[in-house]
Amino acid sequence: AQKITQTQPGMFVQEKEAVTLDCTYDTSDPSYGLFWYKQPSSGEMIFLIYQGSYDQQNATEGRYSLNFQKARKSANLVISASQLGDSAMYFCAMREGSGAQKLVFGQGTRLTINP
Amino acid sequence: GAGVSQTPSNKVTEKGKYVELRCDPISGHTALYWYRQSLGQGPEFLIYFQGTGAADDSGLPNDRFFAVRPEGSVSTLKIQRTERGDSAVYLCASSPQTLVGSPLHFGNGTRLTVT
Repeated sequence: AQKITQTQPGMFVQEKEAVTLDCTYDTSDPSYGLFWYKQPSSGEMIFLIYQGSYDQQNATEGRYSLNFQKARKSANLVISASQLGDSAMYFCAMREGSGAQKLVFGQGTRLTINP
Repeated sequence: GAGVSQTPSNKVTEKGKYVELRCDPISGHTALYWYRQSLGQGPEFLIYFQGTGAADDSGLPNDRFFAVRPEGSVSTLKIQRTERGDSAVYLCASSPQTLVGSPLHFGNGTRLTVT
């Protein structure tokens, strides 16, 4: 069963604008973690931000923030003041707290920042 | 400090041949993961090691795939009788612990091409 869904195959945004990348997830485990990774054309996977299921506040890391809506099972990534270097594939991933230790990834969203 | 190292970075082999892909995790990281990423897709889980033992090998597609981590550090992914469908980027990741909030640190991957 698909546990992570990213419905936007591609996004195009003007430089300096904010962008929201969507992610919904499915789990019955009350303990879980949500991650966002960036993969530039060079292929490396870069960890951006983490949100725990019990965290009361939305996670933030510099220009990245996570809009966590637990009841809707969504964990959207918000990038403020986008830069040309933000152009990349972005993956949402989830790890469930009980048993499974693997990260399950979504299909990704290709973000293109236009000058 | 050094990140996750994967060798070779590229491997071209003929259908039916045997290949070995190597992963050197970050020093001290006890958890090691192998993923496979096809073009335009998210990483797909293959196997996870905690120390020397394979804690979860549920993602290995068939018995042609095997992985070892004999001393709890370096790991080798072995593919027998390669098929053209095995062509993908094989990603290795490590983590210092397996708490739900521990991010995975990825290597740059091995691009395998089966001709």
